[in-house]
Amino acid sequence: GDSVTQMEGPVTLSEEAFLTINCTYTATGYPSLFWYVQYPGEGLQLLLKATKADDKGSNKGFEATYRKETTSFHLEKGSVQVSDSAVYFCALYDYKLSFGAGTTVTVRA
Amino acid sequence: ETGVTQTPRHLVMGMTNKKSLKCEQHLGHNAMYWYKQSAKKPLELMFVYNFKEQTENNSVPSRFSPECPNSSHLFLHLHTLQPEDSALYLCASVGGGQLFFGSGTQLSVL
Repeated sequence: GDSVTQMEGPVTLSEEAFLTINCTYTATGYPSLFWYVQYPGEGLQLLLKATKADDKGSNKGFEATYRKETTSFHLEKGSVQVSDSAVYFCALYDYKLSFGAGTTVTVRA
Repeated sequence: ETGVTQTPRHLVMGMTNKKSLKCEQHLGHNAMYWYKQSAKKPLELMFVYNFKEQTENNSVPSRFSPECPNSSHLFLHLHTLQPEDSALYLCASVGGGQLFFGSGTQLSVL
């Protein structure tokens, strides 16, 4: 069945550092791919998405490119802020949504 | 604000209590989900409702009883829970191929 594997955390960074969270997927069809973010005490919010190969999703300085050849959707941000501290979930949607385990990111001032 | 509202935000209950969690959306979506999020564990899909009909039950114990009276409302009735049921319970609705989540109910079972 469809599944998502993402980099295990926790990840701790200093402000203005570069962030990468790896995500790879397994799917039989042509899924849409998502990154969700969960800030402390909140539910999950959609951060960005890509619906087909080579699409790039971007939001709040975060980017991820749908790579069909490597079945990947890695999340990147060039310069993180303390406010980016959260749990990040990679997900795919084919006929249903499958989530990765989540990666906790802590950004220190 | 995602358009999905969950109440209460926090709930503490004893193992013999009966309580209910409520989820409401006015996004015009026809599919709603219950997820369980435990510390240091992946998100667990519990139930899926499409057009008020339950289409998925992921082997959830009967002490959790969902109810979907209409496409805008989803309930999770709780009865004789165990301490290991303490978790964040998230509701979501589906539209445009993506999920919209509520803020969750943080449940503690004593």
